[in-house]
Amino acid sequence: EVQLVESGGGLIQPGGSLRLSCAASTFTVSSSYMSWVRQPPGKGLEWVSVIYNSGVTYYADSVKGRFTISRDDSKNTLYLQMNSLRAEDTAVYYCARGLVVGVINYWGQGTLVTVSS
Amino acid sequence: DIVMTQSPDSLAVSLGERATINCKSSQSVLYNSNNKNYLAWYQQKPGQPPKLLIYWASTRESGVPDRFSGSGSGTDFTLTISSLQAEDVAVYYCQQYYSTPYTFGQGTNLEIK
Repeated sequence: EVQLVESGGGLIQPGGSLRLSCAASTFTVSSSYMSWVRQPPGKGLEWVSVIYNSGVTYYADSVKGRFTISRDDSKNTLYLQMNSLRAEDTAVYYCARGLVVGVINYWGQGTLVTVSS
Repeated sequence: DIVMTQSPDSLAVSLGERATINCKSSQSVLYNSNNKNYLAWYQQKPGQPPKLLIYWASTRESGVPDRFSGSGSGTDFTLTISSLQAEDVAVYYCQQYYSTPYTFGQGTNLEIK
């Protein structure tokens, strides 16, 4: 059974930084299409970023230049480094694995990031 | 960016009746070289992460009941639930994966009438 366990969320002040982690089991992160998707409280889904098995990365315009997706193959873990955080970044952040490029068939349970002073 | 617009925003259907949710993309998500529509549908129940239902516009994910079906091509797509069950109450999202950013629709809240 594929498992994705996110961690690293919490309360952070505007302008601060946070790094989310997603530990994967029963599959290899480096061989997969891995994404981050977020959901503000009570709102819809917003795709944030993807890293392909080739290492190529893409970002939503709203986070480009502030967020960085990466992976540690030795730890089989996906990361999202979030800098210059804003109130509008407040959301549940889901780590996700792709069935094919862009299609997500496995999701973590999510980690809540709250940006507030 | 491709904008995905769903209709309606909310829908109430009687148990056993058909539910239909529409999704329109601001540009075609049909890739001519392989004749595939890069369109997926997800179901999200309260307090849970989304669940993949349909991809390539009409391919049902493994384990998804056959009362769920997807159709459409180009810019106009439909998710149909042929006979609504109580466990189908959820928010449904379409998503295009034709090009990054892989945008979602705003969601359709499906309830029992």
